Amino acid sequence: DTEVTQTPKHLVMGMTNKKSLKCEQHMGHRAMYWYKQKAKKPPELMFVYSYEKLSINESVPSRFSPECPNSSLLNLHLHALQPEDSALYLCASSQDGGGDRYNEQFFGPGTRLTVL
Amino acid sequence: RKEVEQDPGPFNVPEGATVAFNCTYSNSASQSFFWYRQDCRKEPKLLMSVYSSGNEDGRFTAQLNRASQYISLLIRDSKLSDSATYLCVVTGTNKLIFGTGTLLAVQP
Repeated sequence: DTEVTQTPKHLVMGMTNKKSLKCEQHMGHRAMYWYKQKAKKPPELMFVYSYEKLSINESVPSRFSPECPNSSLLNLHLHALQPEDSALYLCASSQDGGGDRYNEQFFGPGTRLTVL
Repeated sequence: RKEVEQDPGPFNVPEGATVAFNCTYSNSASQSFFWYRQDCRKEPKLLMSVYSSGNEDGRFTAQLNRASQYISLLIRDSKLSDSATYLCVVTGTNKLIFGTGTLLAVQP
């Protein structure tokens, strides 16, 4: 099974809502990632979890809060978002995220988020 | 200078054509290199890793020139289904650095 799954596929939320994005992989990968992608731009790294510990936070605003309940699951909790946060949110995983010797990353289908 | 630079295109080519994409990177310490393909409104999918010796997978050939910090992707006998954005990806410090992507449109 080489699949990364994400739910929901689409999400529309108001600026005062609290919602969560979910990601799951069953490939035994020990590194998981959240990316944000705007139209016609490359994915932009937000967070990296390595062995269930947060290893990189790319100066993401605190209205985005990641959580890694176990090695297969990754959540992104959203609160008080702004309309400019509307984007495709991609989860990815790789075998091992240590150091500079990155393994290939496999992406989920993404959650298309619209903030009204 | 951007960390990874690609010609954004679009490259409009007829079916059956051979097309080449180039990519340059600035960090000489980068160790791993990849080409990803992304269809419109879909996730990036790994097309191939790029090795120093060069590698081939069917109609696709990737080359790496460490001295010039340059990566290439050659697609032979283009198919309509090859139409997509091709992302050059390089390892940075504990993360991947994505190029802005090159858009390929294969015409019938």
